[in-house]
Amino acid sequence: GIQVEQSPPDLILQEGANSTLRCNFSDSVNNLQWFHQNPWGQLINLFYIPSGTKQNGRLSATTVATERYSLLYISSSQTTDSGVYFCAVATGANNLFFGTGTRLTVIP
Amino acid sequence: DAGITQSPRYKITETGRQVTLMCHQTWSHSYMFWYRQDLGHGLRLIYYSAAADITDKGEVPDGYVVSRSKTENFPLTLESATRSQTSVYFCASSEYSGTSGRNEQFFGPGTRLTVL
Repeated sequence: GIQVEQSPPDLILQEGANSTLRCNFSDSVNNLQWFHQNPWGQLINLFYIPSGTKQNGRLSATTVATERYSLLYISSSQTTDSGVYFCAVATGANNLFFGTGTRLTVIP
Repeated sequence: DAGITQSPRYKITETGRQVTLMCHQTWSHSYMFWYRQDLGHGLRLIYYSAAADITDKGEVPDGYVVSRSKTENFPLTLESATRSQTSVYFCASSEYSGTSGRNEQFFGPGTRLTVL
């Protein structure tokens, strides 16, 4: 399967700070998704972004498919941003291959 | 619109018992998936289905059985539960577009299963 590496594994931020999470993957993909797993365990879809750049409020993401990486930007972080952020990729209609996530803790 | 639901949300069972986890989606998505989430492994695919009556194994299928008689339902059965199957189980669905290539997956709330 496709290898997905996320960095950093853990991140602690002061409220209001900005951060960048990185996702590297080992093969060409046609699906890349970013998820937020909240403290209650729910997986929330953040972005479907196999290529290009998207923004949604304080969050934005960029995928450079030719170089096999994606970045998730969180600006002006809030305590509600805490949780684990997963990057997942797929080819065709197949299953997603997940990274092991970045655990974000935002301190008030 | 309920989206994708799973039941039960929590289950405690004993080694050797049969357990069925239910997944239901209201979007009429063709594809459905079962993943398990374990510490240190992220999410890994157990089984998936491309349509009713079509299922295939994923990365970790041993000890699990699936069926899909209706598009909206995709139950996962542990025929004889073992302690190593203690995990959080997520169901997902997607509608793959051959034209655009879009295949965004949406996840249910998960079922936390403990096998004693």
